[in-house]
Formats: sequence, structure tokens, C-alpha cells
Amino acid sequence: SQWGEENLQALSIQEGEDVTMNCSYKTYTTVVHWYRQDSGRGPALIILIRSNEREKRSGRLRATLDTSSQSSSLSITAAQCEDTAVYFCATDQEGADRLTFGKGTQLIIQP
Amino acid sequence: GALVYQYPRRTICKSGTSMRMECQAVGFQATSVAWYRQSPQKTFELIALSTVNSAIKYEQNFTQEKFPISHPNLSFSSMTVLNAYLEDRGLYLCGARDWGGAETLYFGSGTRLTVL
Repeated sequence: SQWGEENLQALSIQEGEDVTMNCSYKTYTTVVHWYRQDSGRGPALIILIRSNEREKRSGRLRATLDTSSQSSSLSITAAQCEDTAVYFCATDQEGADRLTFGKGTQLIIQP
Repeated sequence: GALVYQYPRRTICKSGTSMRMECQAVGFQATSVAWYRQSPQKTFELIALSTVNSAIKYEQNFTQEKFPISHPNLSFSSMTVLNAYLEDRGLYLCGARDWGGAETLYFGSGTRLTVL
């Protein structure tokens, strides 16, 4: 889970495996954003899920959102080496104008 | 597509000196620009949020006197780190958003500040 007092988490899996990263947030949000950050680059949005959606898919990515438990997950199917990156969830409260980022998950895909 | 160019990519400055970083939005209107600092542990701190034609909102522990920001139009924003010291080291990121368009925050590649 990305929030709370945990440091950057690290996950290492083999190429071809599936992986799920979790995120829990503290305050009500209307949207959960998932970003990936490659080394030396800024974060880039990869999928976004709204509070009225329970699941969202985009290619090999699948995001879920459970507003009752204030948690979201990002799954990658058949991970590839190029999926290696740091993944962040970020929340966006309605009426607010800022994103609050989780602490991130370092995902390493081994060939 | 929407892009944000941020420069310089990295800068080294002596303790007590200042440095300025700039962001240019291309392909969309940067209605608001958020400036973040990312620690070596990858933690994000929001420094301030700037919206065109509105006052800049600084987060706790960050001030205009230390991090003055300019956001004169819908494509450009700059931030200066004044009197930089060791604790100011990190990766500074600008994230721009078009409030009339998608909810996406588009980030530049960041400016890595090293203070000697």
C-alpha cells in the first residue's frame, strides 16, 4: 500500500508474470490517478479511475477503485521489461485543485 | 499531443545562491501549474499551485519569499529557488493542467538541483 508511513515499496517479478500494486488513501476523492515515472523523467499518467467506476482497463493495465475502503489497485498483465518504473497513485478531491501523491512502488521486471 | 518542457534538466549551485527553472506547455492551455519537489526517496511535496489570474497558493513550509513563482500566461511558468541550501536539494517538477480539458496533470522532466 502506498499511503501511510511506508517508504517507497519495491516489487521484483519475472517477465510475463502478472502484478498488482495497491494504494489506500485517507480523504474522499473523486478520481484516482495512476502515474508511472521512468528514471530521469517526470511522472506520466497511465490510467485514471473515477469514483463512479469500480474497474477500468487500458491494454494490459487494470485499475480498480473501492470507495468504501478508500483503496485502489493497479494490475499489469504479462509484465514486460519496459514496465520497469516507479508507479504512483494520486488522489484528486472534488473542488480541490491539486493532486496528492502516494509514496510509490518501484516495480522491476526481470528478463 | 500535450507536452511540458522543463529546463534546465539539472543544475548545480553554490550554497546561498539562487536558481530559476522554467516550464513551457505545448499543445494545451496550462490553466494551473503545480510545482512539486521530489525527494531521493521519491516522495512528492507540493510547493505551490499557480492558476492564471489568481493568487498563487503556497503549501505549508514553502513561501513566496523562498520560491517565487511566475505564471504570466497559459503556456509558461517559472519558479526560482532563492538562497539555496543543502535542504533544497531534490528534483523539482512542474505539473500543468488544463481545467477546460482533461483531468490529466502533465509533468515536465524535472530540474534536479544540487547544492554545493
